[in-house]
Amino acid sequence: GQNIDQPTEMTATEGAIVQINCTYQTSGFNGLFWYQQHAGEAPTFLSYNVLDGLEEKGRFSSFLSRSKGYSYLLLKELQMKDSASYLCAVLDSNYQLIWGAGTKLIIKP
Amino acid sequence: GAVVSQHPSWVICKSGTSVKIECRSLDFQATTMFWYRQFPKQSLMLMATSNEGSKATYEQGVEKDKFLINHASLTLSTLTVTSAHPEDSSFYICSARDGRGGDTGELFFGEGSRLTVL
Repeated sequence: GQNIDQPTEMTATEGAIVQINCTYQTSGFNGLFWYQQHAGEAPTFLSYNVLDGLEEKGRFSSFLSRSKGYSYLLLKELQMKDSASYLCAVLDSNYQLIWGAGTKLIIKP
Repeated sequence: GAVVSQHPSWVICKSGTSVKIECRSLDFQATTMFWYRQFPKQSLMLMATSNEGSKATYEQGVEKDKFLINHASLTLSTLTVTSAHPEDSSFYICSARDGRGGDTGELFFGEGSRLTVL
């Protein structure tokens, strides 16, 4: 079966750096997405990786290793507003998005 | 980026009534739209894939006669929850892929609709 694993919850301190990992086992691979979702709101797009390596976008970076079925989202200079759930999703060979359960990130002052 | 508008944001209805939720792509044409349901503290669950001009493709376990999807134009898809019951209370979210990005185009989400069935 298809499976996306990411930690359920993480806690970090304001101003610090946090890395949220995602491992996947899917039938084919056409890219990996990271989305941010605040409670009660729809997800918003953060990043898309289809090639190995690191993609940097401001305070957020996303890394992909296709051979390891692994990705991480790196958040730097954490702000209180970064408290949210972070969803990892993989586009499989049928271009279906397979979603992880999300990682709830709690930022403490 | 592209904008997807979803309406209504909140809806409260009595058990047994039907509720329609609209999803519009405002500045792009979306041949495919996706409908998700999200229960509290859970991930998004894909309900169905809506294709313009054809029948929607439903995920296993989703009743197509209860969750009616219509995608009559390239910018509008509707989800109707028929004969709603309290267990249908959930957060419903639509998304659309901007075809300009190709098959791997970014997914844009509507604001979501919170349905409460009394």
